[in-house]
Amino acid sequence: GAGVSQSPRYKVAKRGQDVALRCDPISGHVSLFWYQQALGQGPEFLTYFQNEAQLDKSGLPSDRFFAERPEGSVSTLKIQRTQQEDSAVYLCASSFGLGYRDANEQFFGPGTRLTVL
Amino acid sequence: AQKVTQAQTEISVVEKEDVTLDCVYETRDTTYYLFWYKQPPSGELVFLIRRNSFDEQNEISGRYSWNFQKSTSSFNFTITASQVVDSAVYFCALSGVVDNFNKFYFGSGTKLNVKP
Repeated sequence: GAGVSQSPRYKVAKRGQDVALRCDPISGHVSLFWYQQALGQGPEFLTYFQNEAQLDKSGLPSDRFFAERPEGSVSTLKIQRTQQEDSAVYLCASSFGLGYRDANEQFFGPGTRLTVL
Repeated sequence: AQKVTQAQTEISVVEKEDVTLDCVYETRDTTYYLFWYKQPPSGELVFLIRRNSFDEQNEISGRYSWNFQKSTSSFNFTITASQVVDSAVYFCALSGVVDNFNKFYFGSGTKLNVKP
């Protein structure tokens, strides 16, 4: 009965470094989401996967952000050439359903706190 | 455009007081869902409730209750007899048919402090 897990929980990067953040969704969940949460703000949508297909990446702030889910389970969010404004908590969520007909509750992981120096 | 506004940034109450957290939303969708999530200091968002736009019945779950009013585009959350364990940041979120319900729009959250 494991929930959504994310690793690492904390990441400190020097400006210009590349980082990779991992998300393990709940087993059997088809949909996977990434959100960015700045300090004192609500989560903001980044991207969405249905199985291995990335169906919406409209929230990715720049082409330095890239996400993948090659086998339809684990997902990785990669940020290239990190900038200070990338500092935030990155949340991953998964849900059982496909959407389209209704909005299924999303189950969130604990997040990865990224600090770019 | 989809938008959720939580005007109360922070609320402090004393244990056993009732408290209401406000949520106002904007959407052009006729079909949409509203959610409340709790974010304790550990950081993980915990699902509390989902409500679709066709169901305006109020809901009660233990000490929690929700008041959905389409006429005022509000989905307010009340905690009765608050407890210290209720201290957290609470988020209201909206998901609409225009995005195939696959994108959640969150408010900026209300931090609730319950003091003993």
